[in-house]
Amino acid sequence: GQNIDQPTEMTATEGAIVQINCTYQTSGFNGLFWYQQHAGEAPTFLSYNVLDGLEEKGRFSSFLSRSKGYSYLLLKELQMKDSASYLCAAREDTGANNLFFGTGTRLTVIP
Amino acid sequence: KAGVTQTPRYLIKTRGQQVTLSCSPISGHRSVSWYQQTPGQGLQFLFEYFSETQRNKGNFPGRFSGRQFSNSRSEMNVSTLELGDSALYLCASSLVGLADNEQFFGPGTRLTVL
Repeated sequence: GQNIDQPTEMTATEGAIVQINCTYQTSGFNGLFWYQQHAGEAPTFLSYNVLDGLEEKGRFSSFLSRSKGYSYLLLKELQMKDSASYLCAAREDTGANNLFFGTGTRLTVIP
Repeated sequence: KAGVTQTPRYLIKTRGQQVTLSCSPISGHRSVSWYQQTPGQGLQFLFEYFSETQRNKGNFPGRFSGRQFSNSRSEMNVSTLELGDSALYLCASSLVGLADNEQFFGPGTRLTVL
């Protein structure tokens, strides 16, 4: 079956660094995605990992360990506008190629 | 270029009715995927259409169906609505399909079933 786990809520201070963890179990695996979703808006793509290691993109980085079924999203130099939900999604590779999302982590950035 | 558009943005229906939602993908994108988002379950994959054919399907009952037209626009239909169908329905488009690394989401249709 499929299972994606991530914390429900996190709070961090403006200017700080925050790490949002995600563990996954899928029938086959073909990539891990992170999306950002502000309240009332559509999700927007942040990152994609399919090989082990760290992918850096500006203030955001994403890490993947396939053997551990684990990923994290790292946000540096937090800004108030980073307050949003962060969705972890794993893509299975069983021919259906579906995306399975976690319930999302609501991040609140405080001054 | 224009993003993914969904109509209507908000909809209120009663139990037992049916509803049709529409999604227009980004120009040139041939794949449209539909998701249901609820606070408790998060985003759940409904189905994907590519070149007018349903290519992938999630674990939803047959009351949920869809189709895609030759211009890649897609519609989703839910029949015999239940209270639990109240959710945000999102569609996402991509060039080729789920194998792409990025899907572009529309703003969603907020369906309330009374």
